[in-house]
Amino acid sequence: DTAVSQTPKYLVTQMGNDKSIKCEQNLGHDTMYWYKQDSKKFLKIMFSYNNKELIINETVPNRFSPKSPDKAHLNLHINSLELGDSAVYFCASSHGTGTGANVLTFGAGSRLTVL
Amino acid sequence: GQNIDQPTEMTATEGAIVQINCTYQTSGFNGLFWYQQHAGEAPTFLSYNVLDGLEEKGRFSSFLSRSKGYSYLLLKELQMKDSASYLCASMDSNYQLIWGAGTKLIIKP
Repeated sequence: DTAVSQTPKYLVTQMGNDKSIKCEQNLGHDTMYWYKQDSKKFLKIMFSYNNKELIINETVPNRFSPKSPDKAHLNLHINSLELGDSAVYFCASSHGTGTGANVLTFGAGSRLTVL
Repeated sequence: GQNIDQPTEMTATEGAIVQINCTYQTSGFNGLFWYQQHAGEAPTFLSYNVLDGLEEKGRFSSFLSRSKGYSYLLLKELQMKDSASYLCASMDSNYQLIWGAGTKLIIKP
């Protein structure tokens, strides 16, 4: 069983469209994250949820909206896609947000290409 | 500002030893992480240091000097499968991870 699974793995779409990426973890972790990894390979935190509550909301356009229906799921919806949104989006989870608890388990990534 | 510096790329020979350095400047410090990321795959956790010194885990060791804002990852007995990017990340006072861009390690036979 995959610990952190995200779908789809690849997503190719036109500018202006709306798309969603889903993420589920079966590790019993309390905290889930969305990261964006651009072409320069920097991992940038976008959002973090702890037990379904938003705890980190970095400066991302409000076209990006996370939704956590329960602590095992964190989905990412993106409206009005732009060329600059092309990147790999990683979902991750951890036991909590303290130091020793904060080892991240990542999903396999969703490569979004906006044409 | 917060910053993580690590070399962009390194090359080493199979069977050899390589040291990947990382310097960090973060607002507060709650630990230093190393992750491995193979091309097209997810990052996976390698090591965590919060106290000064060397942590050894099989062929991989990680070192931390908090006074110098410096860490390194040491890989021994290199294997071809060690070809990957190695990401350094520092946890700041808000328990947020600040990531470096990664060091791409190329292993040659």
